[in-house]
Amino acid sequence: DAGITQSPRHKVTETGTPVTLRCHQTENHRYMYWYRQDPGHGLRLIHYSYGVKDTDKGEVSDGYSVSRSKTEDFLLTLESATSSQTSVYFCAISDSRDSREQYFGPGTRLTVT
Amino acid sequence: DAKTTQPNSMESNEEEPVHLPCNHSTISGTDYIHWYRQLPSQGPEYVIHGLTSNVNNRMASLAIAEDRKSSTLILHRATLRDAAVYYCILRDGSATNKLIFGTGTLLAVQP
Repeated sequence: DAGITQSPRHKVTETGTPVTLRCHQTENHRYMYWYRQDPGHGLRLIHYSYGVKDTDKGEVSDGYSVSRSKTEDFLLTLESATSSQTSVYFCAISDSRDSREQYFGPGTRLTVT
Repeated sequence: DAKTTQPNSMESNEEEPVHLPCNHSTISGTDYIHWYRQLPSQGPEYVIHGLTSNVNNRMASLAIAEDRKSSTLILHRATLRDAAVYYCILRDGSATNKLIFGTGTLLAVQP
């Protein structure tokens, strides 16, 4: 299994509070991704990174920001959490733009009350 | 982004072959066809991918129609551990490595 960990694995927070989710990899892969998964929508890309300090938006980026100061860490921040951001969040990595595979982490279940 | 259409759910019996269909009528010449699956309470995992020719690996086979407007993922002998949601995804080979997931097919395997 690819060395990807996500923390925390579960979190309950209140509306309006900031939340940061962490993805850590030990594979030295260049590309990292954040997805969210909701019933009826499959997985949707939030943001992705193609190198340290290089990030770009995905299809559902509103309300989220990301940072990547080191190759191994990709942080997803909800500046002011809303109930619509209750979801399961998955991090993924790949070693190149043309990589056939993305390797996914175990997921973080976030509940915003 | 090109879209795919899959049945919402399918059933199979253990140790029988399973054919999971996917339609992608708007596929472009640079789109790769990827299949991922997601077991309960886990992140998705790569299964197989192809461009034009049929592909085989240890997990499955991918049969691609000659016009590339459809494809079929074949599990040769389903096991209970194959029960999962299977996603058919088109990836633009000329762009960044972004995957656009649909809602997939939920495969149930009966003993």
